[in-house]
Amino acid sequence: AQSVSQHNHHVILSEAASLELGCNYSYGGTVNLFWYVQYPGQHLQLLLKYFSGDPLVKGIKGFEAEFIKSKFSFNLRKPSVQWSDTAEYFCAVKAIYNQGGKLIFGQGTELSVKP
Amino acid sequence: GAVVSQHPSRVICKSGTSVKIECRSLDFQATTMFWYRQFPKKSLMLMATSNEGSKATYEQGVEKDKFLINHASLTLSTLTVTSAHPEDSSFYICSAREGRGAPYEQYFGPGTRLTVT
Repeated sequence: AQSVSQHNHHVILSEAASLELGCNYSYGGTVNLFWYVQYPGQHLQLLLKYFSGDPLVKGIKGFEAEFIKSKFSFNLRKPSVQWSDTAEYFCAVKAIYNQGGKLIFGQGTELSVKP
Repeated sequence: GAVVSQHPSRVICKSGTSVKIECRSLDFQATTMFWYRQFPKKSLMLMATSNEGSKATYEQGVEKDKFLINHASLTLSTLTVTSAHPEDSSFYICSAREGRGAPYEQYFGPGTRLTVT
C-alpha cells in the first residue's frame, strides 16, 4: 500500500530563513505529487503539484518543490519565509492506476515562523 | 479555483444521535467526492470515495454502517454519522473532483468540526 512520510513534525524558523520540508513516498509506479497548506482556521489549499515534465515545480507564494524519482522524494522549499507562512503543510501522493487513484496524505509539518 | 462548501461548519450532538454533514461543489460538477477525517495534529485520513450515483467505497477500518455516504447528485454528497459516540468527535473534510481520472484536481471544503458529548 502506498504511504507518505513527512520527516519533520514541527519546524520553527525566523523570518527570512530558508525552508525545506521533506516528503518521501512509497509506490513504485507513476504518481502525481502535491503540497497543500492549511493556514490556521482555514481549509486546505493547493500550493503546487507535479504531474509530469520538469521535476522542479513552482507554486504560489514563492514555494517550489523538486521531484526526485530515484529517491521517491518531493521536498518543498522556499528561499525566504515570512511570518505569514506559519501554517500546516501536507505532502500528498496519488498513485496512478485504473481510474485515477486516491490522494494519500503525509502526517503534516507544522511551520512556525517567528517575526 | 473551484469552491467546495460544507455545512454545518460546527456541530455538537449528544451521544447516540445521528448527524448529517453536507458537502457541495458550488461551481463545478463533482463526479467524485471524498470524505476525510482529521485528528488534532494529525494527517487527513481518507474514509471513503463516492462516485455520483454509485455506492461509496470505504477504506479499510471505516465502518460503512456508521458513516453513511450519499452522493445523489453531481453537486452534493452527504456524510451521516449514525449513533455518534464521543470517539467520533473529529474534523471531517470533504473533497470534490470534477472527473474520475488522474489529471483532475481535488478541491477541499472548509471542514466540519463534530463534537459528540
